[in-house]
Amino acid sequence: ETGVTQTPRHLVMGMTNKKSLKCEQHLGHNAMYWYKQSAKKPLELMFVYNFKEQTENNSVPSRFSPECPNSSHLFLHLHTLQPEDSALYLCASSQETSGGAPQYFGPGTRLTVL
Amino acid sequence: LAKTTQPISMDSYEGQEVNITCSHNNIATNDYITWYQQFPSQGPRFIIQGYKTKVTNEVASLFIPADRKSSTLSLPRVSLSDTAVYYCLVGDRNTGRRALTFGSGTRLQVQP
Repeated sequence: ETGVTQTPRHLVMGMTNKKSLKCEQHLGHNAMYWYKQSAKKPLELMFVYNFKEQTENNSVPSRFSPECPNSSHLFLHLHTLQPEDSALYLCASSQETSGGAPQYFGPGTRLTVL
Repeated sequence: LAKTTQPISMDSYEGQEVNITCSHNNIATNDYITWYQQFPSQGPRFIIQGYKTKVTNEVASLFIPADRKSSTLSLPRVSLSDTAVYYCLVGDRNTGRRALTFGSGTRLQVQP
């Protein structure tokens, strides 16, 4: 256990559905992240939050909408996704957003878009 | 930001020591070196971090030469369960610097 939990672990949705991914960290960290990992590809950083404020959005399509109500919780709202959005979505947290701060990852949500 | 280069893949046998080297020629004074391990369909796991010389924990050792332009992750007596992708990242621990992204890593395959 890394102290970062994600729900659901698996999700299948149609292109017209709306769903949300949830992440919670129990480490007292101030920064949280969303990553996407497609099959046999490197992790792609999507969003970064520091003290609830979004500090990075790496050109992510608007069909992905993040929400960070507090430093312990992070959501990723999904709507009108495409089949190519099928991937493993990972949440991580760290003490701060510096490049040297170790990140602690959750187990991920395996998303399949039909 | 310092860029890292590491081998795409490595093979080993159970019980052997595995050394994975990462090159980071443009490492800056304030940069730390961090290694992660990732199993299939799981999130990466922080293994070890160091700044200079040698760091050791219950999982691995990290060797950093004086010029810090490379680092070597050493896994003693690997087992089949050490088969994973290993990532080397270099980054500044000063607050406010941009978070780094992961590269392709080194895919370690341990055989019986």
